[in-house]
Amino acid sequence: GENVEQHPSTLSVQEGDSAVIKCTYSDSASNYFPWYKQELGKRPQLIIDIRSNVGEKKDQRIAVTLNKTAKHFSLHITETQPEDSAVYFCPARNNRLAFGKGNQVVVIP
Amino acid sequence: DGGITQSPKYLFRKEGQNVTLSCEQNLNHDAMYWYRQDPGQGLRLIYYSQIVNDFQKGDIAEGYSVSREKKESFPLTVTSAQKNPTAFYLCASCGGPSYNSPLHFGNGTRLTVT
Repeated sequence: GENVEQHPSTLSVQEGDSAVIKCTYSDSASNYFPWYKQELGKRPQLIIDIRSNVGEKKDQRIAVTLNKTAKHFSLHITETQPEDSAVYFCPARNNRLAFGKGNQVVVIP
Repeated sequence: DGGITQSPKYLFRKEGQNVTLSCEQNLNHDAMYWYRQDPGQGLRLIYYSQIVNDFQKGDIAEGYSVSREKKESFPLTVTSAQKNPTAFYLCASCGGPSYNSPLHFGNGTRLTVT
């Protein structure tokens, strides 16, 4: 099955700085790469996704980049704000859809 | 997400009692999932169903049971056999194959067993 690893597990940034978190996958057949955001006590929500025929996708302050050769995709958050503080998940892409522990992002005001 | 509803939001039970958590979706999605989340932890898959009248165990199915008699509904029963049932339970649905379609989550049910 697919394995994913997320790095770093916890990332603290000053408000206004950029944050980058990476997800490494193992299955070269993967073709869909989503990022979910979960704020404390709330449900996870899809914030951005990318398909394997695209290298980068942007949506305002967030972007996802895909490196198929290295088998990883990254979430970039620019001009971080306190509301970006959350756990971010990149689930394994198979029918079991397993989530790991995610990346904790803490934006320091 | 207005399309997937979990109820109730908070649930309290005494140890030894079975309890059923509701999950309903009106998104016409074939696949549905149940996850458990403990404080500071990720989501662990309990059960999933890709089509009506069929479901599979996830990574932590022991002490839980599900049914999928209707496309819209995927209730989860937490039985007395579940050793540590207190947790945040999340239901999700997916409109296509989970390996290339986004998940839609309900707002969750926070279960406390004393």
